[in-house]
Amino acid sequence: LAKTTQPISMDSYEGQEVNITCSHNNIATNDYITWYQQFPSQGPRFIIQGYKTKVTNEVASLFIPADRKSSTLSLPRVSLSDTAVYYCLVGGSGGYQKVTFGIGTKLQVIP
Amino acid sequence: EAQVTQNPRYLITVTGKKLTVTCSQNMNHEYMSWYRQDPGLGLRQIYYSMNVEVTDKGDVPEGYKVSRKEKRNFPLILESPSPNQTSLYFCASSLDHGTSGGNEQFFGPGTRLTVL
Repeated sequence: LAKTTQPISMDSYEGQEVNITCSHNNIATNDYITWYQQFPSQGPRFIIQGYKTKVTNEVASLFIPADRKSSTLSLPRVSLSDTAVYYCLVGGSGGYQKVTFGIGTKLQVIP
Repeated sequence: EAQVTQNPRYLITVTGKKLTVTCSQNMNHEYMSWYRQDPGLGLRQIYYSMNVEVTDKGDVPEGYKVSRKEKRNFPLILESPSPNQTSLYFCASSLDHGTSGGNEQFFGPGTRLTVL
């Protein structure tokens, strides 16, 4: 499985756009990139998944450059309720099998 | 309602007393997995199962057992719990194990286990 690297923590003010970048230099050709959100004492929740270019849903956007060695999760106009830990995962092409979440990025939204 | 359930939600036990944490999903998912979460270590996979009677080790399988006799259930067994297994445990399931490009995992509410 490709290893991922994310910032440990980030702070942002309410109403700002937040971009969290994940590095995955060893991503395999058929791997997908998936982001999860986790609130304290709750299980992670799927946010978005993509393979290349840009994916957007009602919650976030995911930008993936052509070389796919990194990806950026973009959260528009964050609110206090977006304070959570965000995990970047890479894999899925050969099956999930072993899954590595890492420690994620702790986003703190400030009023 | 589509969901993953875990029982118990909280458990305090003593060293060496066998316990089972149950996990059940009602979405007919093929893939199920157990994770433990500890401060500063993130989520680590214990065991996973790609289908009935098919299980394999994750990153931290020592001290745990699992079984997958039915598609909907994936119990986690601690034969002889020790204090270092005190943790927050999550069960998850997904439609398949991702050969079609990855499927989102649905997580249970978690089980907080304390081993004294």
